[in-house]
Amino acid sequence: GAVVSQHPSRVICKSGTSVKIECRSLDFQATTMFWYRQFPKKSLMLMATSNEGSKATYEQGVEKDKFLINHASLTLSTLTVTSAHPEDSSFYICSARDGSRDYYNEQFFGPGTRLTVL
Amino acid sequence: SQQGEEDPQALSIQEGENATMNCSYKTSINNLQWYRQNSGRGLVHLILIRSNEREKHSGRLRVTLDTSKKSSSLLITASRAADTASYFCATGSTGTASKLTFGTGTRLQVTL
Repeated sequence: GAVVSQHPSRVICKSGTSVKIECRSLDFQATTMFWYRQFPKKSLMLMATSNEGSKATYEQGVEKDKFLINHASLTLSTLTVTSAHPEDSSFYICSARDGSRDYYNEQFFGPGTRLTVL
Repeated sequence: SQQGEEDPQALSIQEGENATMNCSYKTSINNLQWYRQNSGRGLVHLILIRSNEREKHSGRLRVTLDTSKKSSSLLITASRAADTASYFCATGSTGTASKLTFGTGTRLQVTL
């Protein structure tokens, strides 16, 4: 149980285009989903927290108009990188928290999406 | 911001040896978790230790937590080549329990 999927796993796009990444919880309801960004050989940096049916909360320094997050249902959150540029190239990972579990915030991670902007 | 600092940044050992990774953090925590990441992949949850616990075991993994020193360690016993990966600690802070702050990670290489 507690499986999280991401789609696509890899995407290459031209500079200026927008890219949408999907994050799905397959066998549980995710009241909260998180989006992280990871540079090569670096740690995960939290970008934003999204709760189903409400606006995402962005971390300091993350442009909300650049990284649009929609958590439309209890099993799906999307991250859209708008007008992507080469500096947006990175590994994007989502995670989901099962609201039915206990207080301690175990998160279940997706396999990640490798974005390359040419 | 990155709260956790891990050391060593990289560790190379031979199969069968034990591997110890350390994590330090700065603020009060609700819990601390260890994750594993194979190159280019997502994270796999290894173990969670609550702030009122001092030690926890799971198979070949042993985690300790010293809240007075704001530090944790992950011990992998009898390492295998398949343990080669990056290991991250992540802390859940009091008051914002649903957010995790990740450490800088330790890259472990286990050779035959």
